Amino acid sequence: EDQVTQSPEALRLQEGESSSLNCSYTVSGLRGLFWYRQDPGKGPEFLFTLYSAGEEKEKERLKATLTKKESFLHITAPKPEDSATYLCAVQGRDFNKFYFGSGTKLNVKP
Amino acid sequence: GAGVSQSPSNKVTEKGKDVELRCDPISGHTALYWYRQRLGQGLEFLIYFQGNSAPDKSGLPSDRFSAERTGESVSTLTIQRTQQEDSAVYLCASSPTGGNGYTFGSGTRLTVV
Repeated sequence: EDQVTQSPEALRLQEGESSSLNCSYTVSGLRGLFWYRQDPGKGPEFLFTLYSAGEEKEKERLKATLTKKESFLHITAPKPEDSATYLCAVQGRDFNKFYFGSGTKLNVKP
Repeated sequence: GAGVSQSPSNKVTEKGKDVELRCDPISGHTALYWYRQRLGQGLEFLIYFQGNSAPDKSGLPSDRFSAERTGESVSTLTIQRTQQEDSAVYLCASSPTGGNGYTFGSGTRLTVV
């Protein structure tokens, strides 16, 4: 069964303290792995799509990487405005379905 | 519109009552998803619409749940005889073609008392 596990569940960082969020997955025939950011009371906001192992994408202080079993979201020198829940999702052979993890709640203290 | 619009933003209903949730996708987006997000959990797939194709209803948790979409426009999610376990945020997302990054609405927070 396709599934996604994210760790840690919650992460507290000091401003400027770099770290990484993990997304482990099992899926039949990966079509894509997606990262989203979700702020309280809002819907998820699309960040990245990764399609194959070895691929990397960057946006400001965020960098997403992909292997055959997991993806990392690296956050470099985070700022308080990076505080949010980060969700990972995979799309497998069933084109219609995206499987989401439970998310990592990131809190960056000034 | 500029984004995906969902209404109402909050809904409190009594157990056993029916509720209808509405989603206005971005104009021109052929693909539309409904998801359920329980507190502290990930998104649970409910139903998928793609253009005029038959919808994928495989995620609907029971026959109390149904959804409709007319063409590529508004979609409604109906929950009949609501139960307390239906309490969650219901999210709608749309995409131009499906299979890529979706744009989500802000969701409807449903509370069944």
